[in-house]
Amino acid sequence: DIVMTQTPLSLSVTPGQPASISCKSSQSLLHSDGKTYLYWYLQKPGQSPQLLIYEVSSRFSGVPDRFSGSGSGTDFTLKISRVEAEDVGVYYCMQGIHLPPTFGQGTKVEIK
Amino acid sequence: EVQLVESGGGLVKPGGSLRLSCAASGFTFSSYSMNWVRQAPGKGLEWVSSISSSSSYIYYADSVKGRFTISRDNAKNSLYLQMNSLRAEDTAVYYCARAVTMALSAFDIWGQGTMVTVSS
Repeated sequence: DIVMTQTPLSLSVTPGQPASISCKSSQSLLHSDGKTYLYWYLQKPGQSPQLLIYEVSSRFSGVPDRFSGSGSGTDFTLKISRVEAEDVGVYYCMQGIHLPPTFGQGTKVEIK
Repeated sequence: EVQLVESGGGLVKPGGSLRLSCAASGFTFSSYSMNWVRQAPGKGLEWVSSISSSSSYIYYADSVKGRFTISRDNAKNSLYLQMNSLRAEDTAVYYCARAVTMALSAFDIWGQGTMVTVSS
């Protein structure tokens, strides 16, 4: 199985400041079709996970443009340009290139 | 509105069985692959099982293989998870989640989850 490793595991951010989460995979997520199957989810407190980013850098419908994804191969980053109070929760990366789909451990983001 | 609603969770003794359901609405259910993902209390997300749109392809996590059975009824817009020989480590919130394809696809819509507790 592909192992997904996120850092840091927790993050305390002042509103309006940027935040960055790293995700590394144990194998390349680049498919022969040229796409890279790395996704980001946010699970807000008491809620189910919601899709933020698909295929490394494409924002899902309704996701604010302060969220951006980047990376290639095995190294990926989720950035929040200016953190808002509603961004608190646990962020997960997930790979979809190989079954079983696997998630990172999660990064808990809180507001200072 | 696109929606997934899980039901069927509850308290069950070790070795017991439970059947979860997921009712879909607001989209063409038969066009999508479906998944079950679980989350143990205070823990992260774990994929459990996937089923293709026509039920032709089915996959399970090693941790549930041989004990859980995923199925769907496209006429009823419903997804199921039959869970047998339940263990304490199966205690979790179980989410159903939609995906465009069996693999290479994000889980773009999630239900609210249903809690399964395995305890004597």
